[in-house]
Amino acid sequence: AQSVSQHNHHVILSEAASLELGCNYSYGGTVNLFWYVQYPGQHLQLLLKYFSGDPLVKGIKGFEAEFIKSKFSFNLRKPSVQWSDTAEYFCAVNANNDMRFGAGTRLTVKP
Amino acid sequence: DAEITQSPRHKITETGRQVTLACHQTWNHNNMFWYRQDLGHGLRLIHYSYGVQDTNKGEVSDGYSVSRSNTEDLPLTLESAASSQTSVYFCASSNRGFRDEQFFGPGTRLTVL
Repeated sequence: AQSVSQHNHHVILSEAASLELGCNYSYGGTVNLFWYVQYPGQHLQLLLKYFSGDPLVKGIKGFEAEFIKSKFSFNLRKPSVQWSDTAEYFCAVNANNDMRFGAGTRLTVKP
Repeated sequence: DAEITQSPRHKITETGRQVTLACHQTWNHNNMFWYRQDLGHGLRLIHYSYGVQDTNKGEVSDGYSVSRSNTEDLPLTLESAASSQTSVYFCASSNRGFRDEQFFGPGTRLTVL
């Protein structure tokens, strides 16, 4: 069975700092990749997804992620975080209808 | 607006009791999913359905069952609740199965005493 690892459990940043959250997966074949976000008190919602094509994917709210196949990675980035980005972020990988989520990274942005 | 609703939002039950968690979506999606969220594990797939009368086991299906009698609803049943099933449960739906964005409900917090 495949696995998804998010190595950062809790990240604390000041506003305007740059963000990079790591995501690695174990499956060697074709994958669909997602980042979801859960703001406090809200439903999980999709930030961005990668299926094929350009490995640099742009999502909502200024987030982007880069798929590096050789490293089995799909890291999430944002050049300048805001207080409103405080949330929990989940990486998810679908491989042959086996959907796995990472354990999540809690991001706290200090004003 | 289309949405997914879950009920109840909070439930406390006792070990051994049968519990059913409701999930209702108005997206008209064929695909529906149940996950549980536990600290340190993220979301884990319990069961999923590609359409009416279709159900499939996920990663952590033991002790759970689902049935799909219409497009809108996928109730999750815990046949005999155990303390290990204390968790937050999320329902989701999508247009094209696992290859598509999933839309999530607000979650149900279940405590088994």
